[in-house]
Amino acid sequence: EAGVAQSPRYKIIEKRQSVAFWCNPISGHATLYWYQQILGQGPKLLIQFQNNGVVDDSQLPKDRFSAERLKGVDSTLKIQPAKLEDSAVYLCASSPNDGTKNIQYFGAGTRLSVL
Amino acid sequence: GEDVEQSLFLSVREGDSSVINCTYTDSSSTYLYWYKQEPGAGLQLLTYIFSNMDVKQDQRLTVLLNKKDKHLSLRIADTQTGDSAIYFCAEKGGSSNTGKLIFGQGTTLQVKP
Repeated sequence: EAGVAQSPRYKIIEKRQSVAFWCNPISGHATLYWYQQILGQGPKLLIQFQNNGVVDDSQLPKDRFSAERLKGVDSTLKIQPAKLEDSAVYLCASSPNDGTKNIQYFGAGTRLSVL
Repeated sequence: GEDVEQSLFLSVREGDSSVINCTYTDSSSTYLYWYKQEPGAGLQLLTYIFSNMDVKQDQRLTVLLNKKDKHLSLRIADTQTGDSAIYFCAEKGGSSNTGKLIFGQGTTLQVKP
């Protein structure tokens, strides 16, 4: 079974530029998550999708971050314009509807450096 | 509120047992998880425990849950150099079955040969 795919693996941009990340979840997984992991910290949820609908975006800085999952499969996360404090690893995870266990499977992440 | 705390660093010798500790605040958490992160990689699920269990054993891994004290621990028997990584404790946040995970800040395990 293929895992969660993310691209690109690395991205370096200057502040105020735009950037987009892509995620392809495990086939058949209805729930998709984007987490932000700042160096030295645990991941923190940015947004959660159930199929193509948003379940939780309470921690997403909506003035600069946006995300979509139009067909309920792939997802993109965009930052526009980027700030220095956005430097982090952006992790995508997916989860099947497996009852209450909610096992989340993570991709390798995209490491963003904002200069 | 939801918060998960872990010690930041643990160093052991190869062959010894490692014990990584975690405390959490949400008493309604139904599942608690341990993830492993190697350099440059995503998070790999190691094991999880349901809140009505006290202990779960999975090969070299033993999870202990003290629900009264909201304390979770991960014991790795016969620790190997390949176990060197960052270990994250997580609880399921929110009330839905597919809620977000709340992670601790991670414990870096260093295994010396």
